[in-house]
Amino acid sequence: GAVVSQHPSWVICKSGTSVKIECRSLDFQATTMFWYRQFPKQSLMLMATSNEGSKATYEQGVEKDKFLINHASLTLSTLTVTSAHPEDSSFYICSASFESSYNEQFFGPGTRLTVL
Amino acid sequence: AQSVAQPEDQVNVAEGNPLTVKCTYSVSGNPYLFWYVQYPNRGLQFLLKYITGDNLVKGSYGFEAEFNKSQTSFHLKKPSALVSDSALYFCAVRSDPPNDYKLSFGAGTTVTVRA
Repeated sequence: GAVVSQHPSWVICKSGTSVKIECRSLDFQATTMFWYRQFPKQSLMLMATSNEGSKATYEQGVEKDKFLINHASLTLSTLTVTSAHPEDSSFYICSASFESSYNEQFFGPGTRLTVL
Repeated sequence: AQSVAQPEDQVNVAEGNPLTVKCTYSVSGNPYLFWYVQYPNRGLQFLLKYITGDNLVKGSYGFEAEFNKSQTSFHLKKPSALVSDSALYFCAVRSDPPNDYKLSFGAGTTVTVRA
């Protein structure tokens, strides 16, 4: 149980385009979803926290207009990287939690974004 | 505030030898502690967690960790390492009650098990 999927698993795009990454909780309803960014051989950096039906809370230094997060349902959150640039190339990981599991986070498999 | 320290960037062991990956934490309140493993270009795989109860926690793939409140540590151990255990390991902490359910991750420790 508590499976989280991400789509796509990898994406290559041209500079200036927008890319949408989906995060789904497959067998539970996620009250909260988290988006992380990870550079090679580094730790996870929390970008934002989103609760279903409300605006995401962004961490300091994360541009909310560049990284648009939507959490429209209890099983789906999306991260859209707008006007992507090569420096946005990274590994993006989402996680989801629900209240009855001590709010433990269950992680998705990650999405590798490469911006040319 | 909460934080995690993994003092070793790398740990190298021979196959069949014991493996230890160190983690210390700082939280206000009781800690929820987690260990995850990450293989190249993959997401985090859950290994084990400490929420409450027995200080010795047994997890996946033969790993275990001991919660030590006085030393604020949660070291990951495996009695006999395998080459397939070579990966990046993360320790994470959250406080109970949580302020906002956010996890704080350590910097990660790269484990290399040589045949």
